[in-house]
Amino acid sequence: NAGVMQNPRHLVRRRGQEARLRCSPMKGHSHVYWYRQLPEEGLKFMVYLQKENIIDESGMPKERFSAEFPKEGPSILRIQQVVRGDSAAYFCASSPGQGIREKLFFGSGTQLSVL
Amino acid sequence: DQQVKQNSPSLSVQEGRISILNCDYTNSMFDYFLWYKKYPAEGPTFLISISSIKDKNEDGRFTVFLNKSAKHLSLHIVPSQPGDSAVYFCAASARDDKIIFGKGTRLHILP
Repeated sequence: NAGVMQNPRHLVRRRGQEARLRCSPMKGHSHVYWYRQLPEEGLKFMVYLQKENIIDESGMPKERFSAEFPKEGPSILRIQQVVRGDSAAYFCASSPGQGIREKLFFGSGTQLSVL
Repeated sequence: DQQVKQNSPSLSVQEGRISILNCDYTNSMFDYFLWYKKYPAEGPTFLISISSIKDKNEDGRFTVFLNKSAKHLSLHIVPSQPGDSAVYFCAASARDDKIIFGKGTRLHILP
């Protein structure tokens, strides 16, 4: 039973480009969460999604960031017109969906570097 | 406003001794608390949790203590082993709400 899969592991973008981060949840999990870890910081909640629905996006920056979790395929976190401040580790987590409070299973993260 | 605080960025403990990691929270609505462990270049992995109806939960070498009146929890690891060297995140959630993480404490187990 594969764990949460994130790709790419490392992503380098120049300022102004777009970044797409992918997350495939664990088999049987229908809930996906995205967290961001800035250098020397903790994990900051960004967004919580179920299939085809955004449940809580209170941690998402208002501009340039979007997330989706389509009926088929992985969850995508999209960052448009990246800036240096977007450089961080982005972690995806999944859960079976019995409640937002249950423990989360994390992927290995995508390290985004903006030049 | 940081709702979950881990005031010690790092901690060094001799192998075989007890490691105590501390965490404070400010939101009185939090009623579920978790500890996660993270190795470099890997995602966090769940370690242990505790509900606010309890004041202690034990799992092998790991014990979490919760002091609701002080809004404080701690993770005890005994005896500490080299493989315990990692970053430990304290996390909390209020009913039906997302999990909030602290900044983490880096634990070094010394030989």
